[in-house]
Amino acid sequence: EAQVTQNPRYLITVTGKKLTVTCSQNMNHEYMSWYRQDPGLGLRQIYYSMNVEVTDKGDVPEGYKVSRKEKRNFPLILESPSPNQTSLYFCASSPSGRMNTEAFFGQGTRLTVV
Amino acid sequence: GDSVTQMEGPVTLSEEAFLTINCTYTATGYPSLFWYVQYPGEGLQLLLKATKADDKGSNKGFEATYRKETTSFHLEKGSVQVSDSAVYFCALREDNNDMRFGAGTRLTVKP
Repeated sequence: EAQVTQNPRYLITVTGKKLTVTCSQNMNHEYMSWYRQDPGLGLRQIYYSMNVEVTDKGDVPEGYKVSRKEKRNFPLILESPSPNQTSLYFCASSPSGRMNTEAFFGQGTRLTVV
Repeated sequence: GDSVTQMEGPVTLSEEAFLTINCTYTATGYPSLFWYVQYPGEGLQLLLKATKADDKGSNKGFEATYRKETTSFHLEKGSVQVSDSAVYFCALREDNNDMRFGAGTRLTVKP
């Protein structure tokens, strides 16, 4: 089954404790991205990757890191989480960055930083 | 930069009512337009899309027409069901760019 898989689905952590949210897709997509979803703000892009070893900042990259060493994986790293990073996070992939291609989303990771 | 504005919710309707969720956009070029739906506890999934002016996207009884002259892509359904209760997101995408999403509109359909 074609899918984007994120782990974990739920995570509660403490301020300053490094964490990684994994994302993997099995559709051989070139383009992957991370979003955060906050009430009233919709989805805001954190980072994106056009292909392996190519990553770039989105609209809200502060406090986050990513890497793209393999085509299928695009982990999101929070080196020192803070309470304002409490949010619902989504990973997405699409065949390319072309405008007519849809994005496929993971199930989401609900992160709480206390 | 590109942006999407959609009507604020929440929207509450009775079953079989007519639904319209307004969406307008600002873009530098001629983007593709999308509607995504998010059911409780799930990720977003594509509902429909349109890639050029005057195209109509349709799926599961939902429709939206790409109107370049009014920069709009309003979502409509003639008769909603309880199972349509979800959050709906309008989005656009230009070449070599990521999706831009609206804030989302929560729809609740009551029996």
